[in-house]
Amino acid sequence: GAGVSQSPSNKVTEKGKDVELRCDPISGHTALYWYRQSLGQGLEFLIYFQGNSAPDKSGLPSDRFSAERTGGSVSTLTIQRTQQEDSAVYLCASSLKSSSSYNEQFFGPGTRLTVL
Amino acid sequence: AQSVTQPDIHITVSEGASLELRCNYSYGATPYLFWYVQSPGQGLQLLLKYFSGDTLVQGIKGFEAEFKRSQSSFNLRKPSVHWSDAAEYFCAVGLMDTGRRALTFGSGTRLQVQP
Repeated sequence: GAGVSQSPSNKVTEKGKDVELRCDPISGHTALYWYRQSLGQGLEFLIYFQGNSAPDKSGLPSDRFSAERTGGSVSTLTIQRTQQEDSAVYLCASSLKSSSSYNEQFFGPGTRLTVL
Repeated sequence: AQSVTQPDIHITVSEGASLELRCNYSYGATPYLFWYVQSPGQGLQLLLKYFSGDTLVQGIKGFEAEFKRSQSSFNLRKPSVHWSDAAEYFCAVGLMDTGRRALTFGSGTRLQVQP
């Protein structure tokens, strides 16, 4: 079946503009994660959605970052007033409900964001 | 806070040679341990994971990893590397005693394979 998809694959924007990044998780996966991968860095957790529970936003680096998940499926990560340090690859992952164990997280190909 | 260290940023091996990628974690309890591989332009793919039990775990593509509690390590190994193994490898840990299910990743090791 289809894996996790993300769009756009590449996004170039000017400093100060807002951007929206989209993630379509695997059908049936109730958990959804956003990570950020900066050049030469590992993956940095941003936000986690699990079903209808309140999201874990503890990884968001500033209030310019927000995310929502509509209908328990598609998620959008929004970055307002982008800064050059926001340039990175933004990865989305999904997994089955993980209340009692760690289920495998399936990653999308990512969105490469470049802020000029 | 927990942390994951991959001390080797870049490793080059010859095709057919053995491989060991190092991973150390810092956490009071035994976390859940993972190795992911990221090929150029691709998302991350899970190679193997350790939750409990046998400390030597087998994964896909001929990889294995050994959990050593005394050394807080979870090193990835492969007896004979293939050119297609050239990629970036990430070690990650997860914690069950928090509500979070997100993973903490190391900074990665880039593997180059020479013919």
